[in-house]
Amino acid sequence: DTGVSQDPRHKITKRGQNVTFRCDPISEHNRLYWYRQTLGQGPEFLTYFQNEAQLEKSRLLSDRFSAERPKGSFSTLEIQRTEQGDSAMYLCASSFGNEQFFGPGTRLTVL
Amino acid sequence: AQTVTQSQPEMSVQEAETVTLSCTYDTSESDYYLFWYKQPPSRQMILVIRQEAYKQQNATENRFSVNFQKAAKSFSLKISDSQLGDAAMYFCAPNAGGTSYGKLTFGQGTILTVHP
Repeated sequence: DTGVSQDPRHKITKRGQNVTFRCDPISEHNRLYWYRQTLGQGPEFLTYFQNEAQLEKSRLLSDRFSAERPKGSFSTLEIQRTEQGDSAMYLCASSFGNEQFFGPGTRLTVL
Repeated sequence: AQTVTQSQPEMSVQEAETVTLSCTYDTSESDYYLFWYKQPPSRQMILVIRQEAYKQQNATENRFSVNFQKAAKSFSLKISDSQLGDAAMYFCAPNAGGTSYGKLTFGQGTILTVHP
């Protein structure tokens, strides 16, 4: 499978816990994006990387959120001290040109 | 900042018929791309069709075509010969240029139901 992969696919956590998600982009893609999607809504941009450089962060990304892309390959998104409002689908996408290819998402439920 | 409006929360169509989904957007960019993505229930986002804003010719991809009106900032999707597998949530999404290269702004989506 040469598509974008995300791990885990589902995560249930208790409020206050830290969680980390991983995204593996398509291998030759230099750009990687994170979006958040709540039920019945369109995805909202969180952050994006070109190679290992994080070039933009949305105001949605509070100080509890951090993303990395070491060596310009896979990326991780960490949420510290989770809140119930963090419950959502977290989508990763990668691109080389203008078309973004999306992964299956990680569904986070904060109890 | 870009804004995207999809004014039809839900649409339905009979199998083999044609349906049009509407989208309007606001952007200050002069050079950008526009996309329609499809998200089937519990499945991942798939690109349906894309349009370069500098091209006057409307994009076509098999049964899918767009009506792009740049001055009006309108970008509608027409699905011809609708099939049961077309049932999904459809999102309109322009991308940003400049330093926000590629960042997509999504509309709220239109749920398409296809009746046999």
